Amino acid sequence: AQKITQTQPGMFVQEKEAVTLDCTYDTSDPSYGLFWYKQPSSGEMIFLIYQGSYDQQNATEGRYSLNFQKARKSANLVISASQLGDSAMYFCAMREPNTGNQFYFGTGTSLTVIP
Amino acid sequence: GAVVSQHPSRVICKSGTSVKIECRSLDFQATTMFWYRQFPKQSLMLMATSNEGSKATYEQGVEKDKFLINHASLTLSTLTVTSAHPEDSSFYICSARDPTGGRNEQYFGPGTRLTVT
Repeated sequence: AQKITQTQPGMFVQEKEAVTLDCTYDTSDPSYGLFWYKQPSSGEMIFLIYQGSYDQQNATEGRYSLNFQKARKSANLVISASQLGDSAMYFCAMREPNTGNQFYFGTGTSLTVIP
Repeated sequence: GAVVSQHPSRVICKSGTSVKIECRSLDFQATTMFWYRQFPKQSLMLMATSNEGSKATYEQGVEKDKFLINHASLTLSTLTVTSAHPEDSSFYICSARDPTGGRNEQYFGPGTRLTVT
C-alpha cells in the first residue's frame, strides 16, 4: 500500500487565490511526522511546513498552513494568496521513526499559478 | 537553516565510466544521509540509507555494486555510479538528517543532474 497518496497530478490557481493540495497517508505507527516540500524547476527541495502526529494544532508557516485531519489520515497543504513564484511541484512526505526515520514521498502535485 | 551541499551540480559522462557525487552537511554532523533518485516528473525514490562508519542499506531493486555509497565522515557521503549507462541518467538528490533537531528533519542537497551519453 502507498504510504503517501497525492491524488492531484496537476492543479491551477488564479494569482492571489488560495489553493489546497491534498495528501493522505497510511501508517500504523502512533508517532510520525508529516512534511511538505516545494520543488521548483531548479530541482532543489524546499521545506515548507511540518506537522507532528501529536501536535494539537494545525501547523502554519506564513502563507502555508497544514489542514491536519488525524482520524482521516489527511494532511492537506493550503497556500493562501498564491503568487506566480508558487508554481512548482509540491511533495507531501512522511517520516516514521520505526523505519529508521526514512522519508516516504508522494507522487507530487504540479501547481501552476495563473496571472 | 541547516545546509547540505552536493557536488557536482551537473555532470555529463560517457557510457562505461564512473561518476562520483559528493554530499556534505555544512553546519551539522549527519550520522545518517539518504540518497534519492528522481526521474523527470516523478517522485523521489529512496536508493539507500548511508550510515557513518558502516555499510549503506540499499532499497530493494537498487544494485549495491553499481551504486557505491561511502559515508566516511560525519559530514560527507559519496555516491559513485560505476560503469554508467544512459539509463542511469537521472537527478540524484541527497539528504542529511540532523539528529539534534527536534523534528529529525532531513535537509536536502540541491541535487546532481547526471547525463550519460
